[in-house]
This record gives sequence, structure tokens and C-alpha cells, in this order.
Amino acid sequence: AQSVTQLDSQVPVFEEAPVELRCNYSSSVSVYLFWYVQYPNQGLQLLLKYLSGSTLVKGINGFEAEFNKSQTSFHLRKPSVHISDTAEYFCAVSAPWFGNEKLTFGTGTRLTIIP
Amino acid sequence: EPEVTQTPSHQVTQMGQEVILRCVPISNHLYFYWYRQILGQKVEFLVSFYNNEISEKSEIFDDQFSVERPDGSNFTLKIRSTKLEDSAMYFCASRAKQPGQFRGYTFGSGTRLTVV
Repeated sequence: AQSVTQLDSQVPVFEEAPVELRCNYSSSVSVYLFWYVQYPNQGLQLLLKYLSGSTLVKGINGFEAEFNKSQTSFHLRKPSVHISDTAEYFCAVSAPWFGNEKLTFGTGTRLTIIP
Repeated sequence: EPEVTQTPSHQVTQMGQEVILRCVPISNHLYFYWYRQILGQKVEFLVSFYNNEISEKSEIFDDQFSVERPDGSNFTLKIRSTKLEDSAMYFCASRAKQPGQFRGYTFGSGTRLTVV
């Protein structure tokens, strides 16, 4: 079974500052990794995903994440945040190649942008 | 871009009543899922469905829950006798069949269920 740990429940950041949201996973098999964003009172929107290949993955809205297999991490970064980035961010993992197809989510990180 | 469509967006029901949440997955997807998110909490897996049967379910998915694919397009979640603690946002998701065709999971915008 897979699990995901998001170490920070809340991250306040000043506008235009960089941000990193941390995600660590646990799995005995190769996994797919995802970051989803949830704006207030809305659904889940895929930010980016790592399936294979380059460990640096670029997503929408200027976000990127780096897969680090040795550290079992998939941290999300953005060099300069905007007020509109205020949202809940969820890291998730799955392993469909190994019959564990469901997405397992972390507990989420609430990103608050301070003007 | 193809979307997963969920209806209704918000449903209010009395405790003990049956509710059916509806989803239209992406047309060429063959794996379907339901997740729920209690207000302020994490997104939790409920059930996965493939080839007209449940492939996996969580502890949350007890006898009060059922899923069905009544036709070629709809995927439904039924809660037979709702409890107050069933109040949550319910998300439907789908994905392509084979890992080689995998591009990720597509989520619907959710149904907010409020049990009163």
C-alpha cells in the first residue's frame, strides 16, 4: 500500500515570494505522483503529474515539482506566488502498474498568500 | 478537453433518505472511482469500478453504499439511508484502461451532499 505525508498543514507566503510545498510518499513499488489544487468551494484540479522520464515536472500556473526517488519526495514549487494561488494543495500517489490503482491523498497544505 | 460531469452540484437530503449521485465519466475511460471529502479534511477513497464490478472498496464503503453503471455513460453512487456523517463533497473520477495509456485521473467538480 502507498501513503503520502504532507508535512505542512498551512503555509503563509508573501505575494511574489517563492514557495515550496512538501510531499513525501511511501511505497514498495514504483509509483505515479500527482499534485492537485482545490480552490475554495471548488473541485480538484490537476496541477501536474509524474509518470516517468524527467524528474522535473512542469505544470499549470507556473508550478513545478521534482521527483526524488532516493528521498521519496515530490515537492511542489513556484518561484513567485500570486494572490490567486491561495488554495488547498493535495499531493497524491498511485501504482496502477501493480494493481493498486486508487489515488491516495495526503492531508493537504493550505497555501495563503499575504498581500 | 474531455470532462467528468457530476450532477447535482449540491443536494440536501433528510437523514434516512436515499440519495443517488450521478457521474458521466470520460467516454473512453474504463476505470471509475468515487471519493469523498468531509469539510476541511482530506480526500478519501471510497470505491473503484472496472468491467461492471467493484475492484476495490474502502472501509467507508459499507452496505449503505452501492455503485452502478446502469448504461454506457452514467456511473452512480447510491447511499441507501443517509446519516449526518455522510455530509461531504463526493467526487467522481475516471481514467484510461491500460497503464500504457495512462494520462492521469480526471475528477469531476463534485457533489456537495448535506444531510439534515
